[in-house]
Amino acid sequence: SYELTQPPSVSVSPGQTARITCSGDALPKKYAYWYQQKSGQAPVLVIYEDSKRPSGIPERFSGSSSGTMATLTISGAQVEDEADYYCYSTDSSGNHRRVFGGGTKLTVL
Amino acid sequence: QVQLQESGPGLVKPSETLSLTCTVSGYSISSGYYWGWIRQPPGKGLEWIGSIYHSGSTYYNPSLKSRVTISVDTSKNQFSLKLSSVTAADTAVYYCARDYHYSDENWFDPWGQGTLVTVSS
Repeated sequence: SYELTQPPSVSVSPGQTARITCSGDALPKKYAYWYQQKSGQAPVLVIYEDSKRPSGIPERFSGSSSGTMATLTISGAQVEDEADYYCYSTDSSGNHRRVFGGGTKLTVL
Repeated sequence: QVQLQESGPGLVKPSETLSLTCTVSGYSISSGYYWGWIRQPPGKGLEWIGSIYHSGSTYYNPSLKSRVTISVDTSKNQFSLKLSSVTAADTAVYYCARDYHYSDENWFDPWGQGTLVTVSS
């Protein structure tokens, strides 16, 4: 079965750049997406198609992808960015399987 | 804008069937898109359960496929989830979401607020 692998946790000080990685064998062929989930809330899409930002998402959120790894970058992380972040993609084998990474807890303090 | 709201029992007994409904507002399901269910056990990550097209075609997570049925009722602008033979491992927050489809890509946006379903006798 297809898997996306993320580090369990990332920690930065306010104002620093946070980078969260996601690795998956199908990422050279499929886009990566990123969701932010704050405590007790539903996930919110922050990056789609590797690097596009939905309306309303701050410019400090950016995404990139190279080979089998996608990266979410938060430039000048704020305390309010502390949350769980999940990468997401689909299997490239044609089985229409949707897959989430295990999630990364971002701590900003 | 599109909004989704989950509804259904918050407590289900082991071996019984979990049933949830997602009501969509701000968009007619019959106009298109896939619609999906995702769950999140307490303290754990997100797991895709399955998705349904407005026409009724479905895709399920292979790990749950034998127990899952997703259906759509375009007259009520709703889609539903049934998960049979539940155990404590099925205790989770269940989310419904629009399964946005473009070319051969898809992603979930927006999401409902989620509903906690506990499996316990």
